[in-house]
Amino acid sequence: DAGVIQSPRHEVTEMGQEVTLRCKPISGHDYLFWYRQTMMRGLELLIYFNNNVPIDDSGMPEDRFSAKMPNASFSTLKIQPSEPRDSAVYFCASSLRTGGGFTEAFFGQGTRLTVV
Amino acid sequence: AQKITQTQPGMFVQEKEAVTLDCTYDTSDPSYGLFWYKQPSSGEMIFLIYQGSYDQQNATEGRYSLNFQKARKSANLVISASQLGDSAMYFCAMRDRPRGSGGYQKVTFGIGTKLQVIP
Repeated sequence: DAGVIQSPRHEVTEMGQEVTLRCKPISGHDYLFWYRQTMMRGLELLIYFNNNVPIDDSGMPEDRFSAKMPNASFSTLKIQPSEPRDSAVYFCASSLRTGGGFTEAFFGQGTRLTVV
Repeated sequence: AQKITQTQPGMFVQEKEAVTLDCTYDTSDPSYGLFWYKQPSSGEMIFLIYQGSYDQQNATEGRYSLNFQKARKSANLVISASQLGDSAMYFCAMRDRPRGSGGYQKVTFGIGTKLQVIP
């Protein structure tokens, strides 16, 4: 398996533009997590899905952020409109529920977003 | 409320020495798991070690061991015989089922500890 795949790896956009980050989880994994990493706040959990259904989006900072998972192999995180304070590295991770809990979260390479 | 606390923003260790990175956690779920990840300067998140709340033995993986003290709610990472390549950010994480989550498992991270290994 290729692991969790995120695209793009880097994104530079102007304030006010829409940004869409993409994630392909590991095949067969039933949990998908979106995290944002900044120096000040570390790794913040934004939203997570189980079997394509959003379970908890309480970490989404504002209504400008939205996430979807239309099927088991694809998820998007959208920011509209983007602002400079959204600049961060965004990680997607997936995991699989097992009888005793679940596997560790497998991370993608991250998307480094810069909003100018 | 902070669920995962890492109180050491930065640590230094001499090459070949052992180092302990602290992590405390808080959960009401009796069935939870604790993870440690390493993030080198290249940015990828590398899974190191896992401890389940019902595991009787402390987890070990090569030079990594987890000092799990359930009553104190701590899960410290011990790296033995430090190497220069161990210089990185280290994150403690917990998976649990928060109240009101309907039994779904959430994974939250601490703020991390930056470890620098000195030759």
